[in-house]
Amino acid sequence: EAGVAQSPRYKIIEKRQSVAFWCNPISGHATLYWYQQILGQGPKLLIQFQNNGVVDDSQLPKDRFSAERLKGVDSTLKIQPAKLEDSAVYLCASSPGRRPIISMGYTFGSGTRLTVV
Amino acid sequence: KNQVEQSPQSLIILEGKNCTLQCNYTVSPFSNLRWYKQDTGRGPVSLTIMTFSENTKSNGRYTATLDADTKQSSLHITASQLSDSASYICVVSDGGGNKLTFGTGTQLKVEL
Repeated sequence: EAGVAQSPRYKIIEKRQSVAFWCNPISGHATLYWYQQILGQGPKLLIQFQNNGVVDDSQLPKDRFSAERLKGVDSTLKIQPAKLEDSAVYLCASSPGRRPIISMGYTFGSGTRLTVV
Repeated sequence: KNQVEQSPQSLIILEGKNCTLQCNYTVSPFSNLRWYKQDTGRGPVSLTIMTFSENTKSNGRYTATLDADTKQSSLHITASQLSDSASYICVVSDGGGNKLTFGTGTQLKVEL
């Protein structure tokens, strides 16, 4: 079974530029999550999708961050404009159902490391 | 507020030695607790998952324990190897299973 695919692996941009990350979850997984992991901290949930609908985006900085999962499969996360404090690893995860920790299929991708200079 | 605290923050041990990582949580109601291993530059990989009724779970050289009464968990690594060098993250799910609370992780380094 293929894992959660993310691209790019690394990205360096200047502040005020825009950037987009892509995630392809495990086939058949209905739930997709985007996390932000700042160095030395645990992942912080940015947004959770159930199929193509948003379940939780309470911690998404909506003035600069946006995400979509139009067809309920792959997803993109965009930052525009980027700030220095956005430097982090952006992790995508997916699970078959809406209850992630109960599902043994809850899987993280390798992440995209973003550096804003 | 749901919180997960891990200790120590970082740890250096010699290859072949054992070590124990701690996790205390205040998530309520409790559903499940999972330990993840995160190699540098990679996504977290699940090691063990325990529900309320389980007090120990093993995965090779990794053994996790759970005391739901004191809200504590530990991850014991036996006969450490260089490849065990990573961040170990404790994650607790609430009763509804919809909210995950992550610890900040313990950074383990295994040296020769």
